[in-house]
Amino acid sequence: DTEVTQTPKHLVMGMTNKKSLKCEQHMGHRAMYWYKQKAKKPPELMFVYSYEKLSINESVPSRFSPECPNSSLLNLHLHALQPEDSALYLCASSLQGGGIQETQYFGPGTRLLVL
Amino acid sequence: KNEVEQSPQNLTAQEGEFITINCSYSVGISALHWLQQHPGGGIVSLFMLSSGKKKHGRLIATINIQEKHSSLHITASHPRDSAVYICAVSLGSQGNLIFGKGTKLSVKP
Repeated sequence: DTEVTQTPKHLVMGMTNKKSLKCEQHMGHRAMYWYKQKAKKPPELMFVYSYEKLSINESVPSRFSPECPNSSLLNLHLHALQPEDSALYLCASSLQGGGIQETQYFGPGTRLLVL
Repeated sequence: KNEVEQSPQNLTAQEGEFITINCSYSVGISALHWLQQHPGGGIVSLFMLSSGKKKHGRLIATINIQEKHSSLHITASHPRDSAVYICAVSLGSQGNLIFGKGTKLSVKP
């Protein structure tokens, strides 16, 4: 199984809603990543988890809250988002992270629209 | 200045043409990645390079560490190759990627 799955595929939410994005992999990878991608722009790193511990937070606003309950699962909890947070949210995983040369495997993304 | 620069930004080719996409970077890296993103969002990793050359089917990637430059070549291009091709580098400290802005390739039949 070389797949990273993300749910939901699409999400529309109001600025007062609370929602969560889910990412799952069963490749035994110990590093997982959240990226945000605006239209016609490259992905921007948000968070990195390595061995279930948050290792990088790229100064992301607190309305985005990541969670890694176990080595296979990565969540992104969303609260009080702004319309400018509308984007494609991509999850990726790699074997270990931590600076080792590794291929990252990407999920299909969740397309988020904040009204 | 972006740490990763790609050229061209947009490329239109006829089916069968040989295609080259270039990537230059300004920092020391542990590896360079070529990624493909189709409309709809999914990203696929094509190559990871730290030296030399790699080939997979009609795709060839090369890297020159001294010149801080990499190229992605597509031989006998096909409309299904139409996608955005992204160059990214990993700096080695945490494994996270720094992305170029991408090259949008359109191959016409």
